[in-house]
Order: sequence, then C-alpha cells, then structure tokens
Amino acid sequence: EIVLTQSPGTLSLFPGERATLSCRASQSVSSNYLTWYQQKPGQAPRLLIYGASTRATGIPDRFSGSGSGTDFTLTISRLEPEDFAVYYCQQYGNSPLYTFGQGTKLEIK
Amino acid sequence: EVQLVESGGGLVQPGGSLRLSCAASGFTFSSYSMNWVRQAPGKGLEWVSFISSISSTIRYADSVKGRFTISRDNAKNSLYLQMNSLRDEDTAVYYCASAYRSGCDYWGQGTLVTVSS
Repeated sequence: EIVLTQSPGTLSLFPGERATLSCRASQSVSSNYLTWYQQKPGQAPRLLIYGASTRATGIPDRFSGSGSGTDFTLTISRLEPEDFAVYYCQQYGNSPLYTFGQGTKLEIK
Repeated sequence: EVQLVESGGGLVQPGGSLRLSCAASGFTFSSYSMNWVRQAPGKGLEWVSFISSISSTIRYADSVKGRFTISRDNAKNSLYLQMNSLRDEDTAVYYCASAYRSGCDYWGQGTLVTVSS
C-alpha cells in the first residue's frame, strides 16, 4: 500500500504570499495518478489538480501542481483570502484504489 | 448543473445497518464510475468503495470489505451503500463522488453516519 505524507501539517502565511505544499509517496506514483483537492470547513472537497499538474475546470491559474516519482508539490502563487483551507493529495493505485494524504491546513497568519 | 445529493445517514447502534443513497442529476450518470468517500469528525478523507459505470467492477477498502455493499441503479440515477455490522469507527460524513481521471470531480454535500450506543 502506498502511503502519502503531506507536509507541513499546518502552514501559516499572509494573503499575497506564495504557498508550497508537499506530498511525498512511500513508493513511486505515476504522475497521471496524483490528484489535489481543497476542502473548506463544512464543505465537500473540491478537485483542484489532476494528473499531477493539470488544473480542473474553473481553477484559477495561481494554483499549480508539479512533481514526479515520489515527490509532488502544490503551489499557490499569491494567496487570496478564499485559499485558506485544508489541502489533500490523493493517489490512484491498486489496493486500496485511492489513497489520501493526511492533509495540510493552510491558515492565515 | 451537476448535483449529487446523499441521504440515509443517521444514528445507529453498533452492529446495526444503514443504507445510504446518492441521487445524481445534471450529467449522464450511467457513463460515470462512482465512489463513496468518508471523513471521520475532524479527520482526513478515506476512500470507501468504487463502482464502475455498468457495475462490472466493484472495489472496497479493507476496512469495510465484507460489511459494506455498493450498488447503483442507472435507470434511477442513483448510487447506494448498504452498510452492515456497523462499528464505532465507521462514524463519519459519507460523500458520494463521481470518478474522473484518477480522482473525483463532483462531490455531494455528504451525509453523517453516527455509530453509537
């Protein structure tokens, strides 16, 4: 089973700053199979990035994904107030079919 | 507009059963694989089960295998999760979500299942 470890657990930044969130896999993951979500309190997750680097429909271009193998990154270039949320990475595999990281909470400093 | 609306959650005693439903609209439900994903209070996301568009492929997380059954009715645009032998650790918000590429694109608002005596 592939384990995804996200870091940091909590990231405190000011609006306008750049955020860099990490997702590290215990084994190599195909870039096609790495996905990022955003979740705000009381809401369902929202698809941000699939295939490691492709933005989902309607996602602003300040969000970008990169990485390969075991190391993946979600970058938010200039934080807007609405970007403060919890972010999850997820990989598609064999067993289990989907695995999520534990999440990174992005909070306003 | 795509909508996924879950129902059927509630309070159940350990060992009991519940059946969750997810009503889909705004897209061609019969063409999409679907998932159930849960989130325990204050915790992260956990994938529960997957069903392909014509129910030919079904998968479960080890934590629910043998206790939960996923199904769908394409004529009714509905997804289901039959949950038996419920345990305290099954307490969570349960989301239905449509599968897209290697993730999930559309999600319902979730339904809360509380297992407690």
